[in-house]
Amino acid sequence: DTGVSQNPRHKITKRGQNVTFRCDPISEHNRLYWYRQTLGQGPEFLTYFQNEAQLEKSRLLSDRFSAERPKGSFSTLEIQRTEQGDSAMYLCASSPLTGNSPLHFGNGTRLTVT
Amino acid sequence: GQQLNQSPQSMFIQEGEDVSMNCTSSSIFNTWLWYKQDPGEGPVLLIALYKAGELTSNGRLTAQFGITRKDSFLNISASIPSDVGIYFCAGQDSNSGYALNFGKGTSLLVTP
Repeated sequence: DTGVSQNPRHKITKRGQNVTFRCDPISEHNRLYWYRQTLGQGPEFLTYFQNEAQLEKSRLLSDRFSAERPKGSFSTLEIQRTEQGDSAMYLCASSPLTGNSPLHFGNGTRLTVT
Repeated sequence: GQQLNQSPQSMFIQEGEDVSMNCTSSSIFNTWLWYKQDPGEGPVLLIALYKAGELTSNGRLTAQFGITRKDSFLNISASIPSDVGIYFCAGQDSNSGYALNFGKGTSLLVTP
């Protein structure tokens, strides 16, 4: 069990560019979540996958954001036409499907939009 | 998602002191979690609580799920320098969806 893995760890991009982040959950974890965290705040929920199905999306997830989990394993989060307000830490978490299993977070991707 | 009210915002204590922080919500949760986050890393789970009134310990950490289901506290006994970090409470109401709602965190500094 290597934990939740996120790549890249850091991304600097210019406003208007597209970026894509990857998350590899703990193996056999059916549930996968994306959160966003800005400085001085707690993580904010973006979206939830159960296997390959995207079951919940936050209003924070504007139409410039899209997340996929095509084979029910790794997931990608894409941001199109990035804006400076998108600068944040993007965290991925996973948990097993059974019971009230708590979320295990990765170390995040730090996005800076210049 | 709903923001939780977490207090205090920050604490500056001496090694060996006990620490207490709490979290309140206007909504009922059926799960309360406490996480610790170090700079540049993701939150790490400390304690999970699933039943109102539940009191759970993890080493020097103790947390309780409030009877009203709208609050929780975390105590750290005999603090040590490696306790430094930001502590987040998180609540979930599984009847309302899958999201965890986080507080804004308590920043803990421990001096030797």
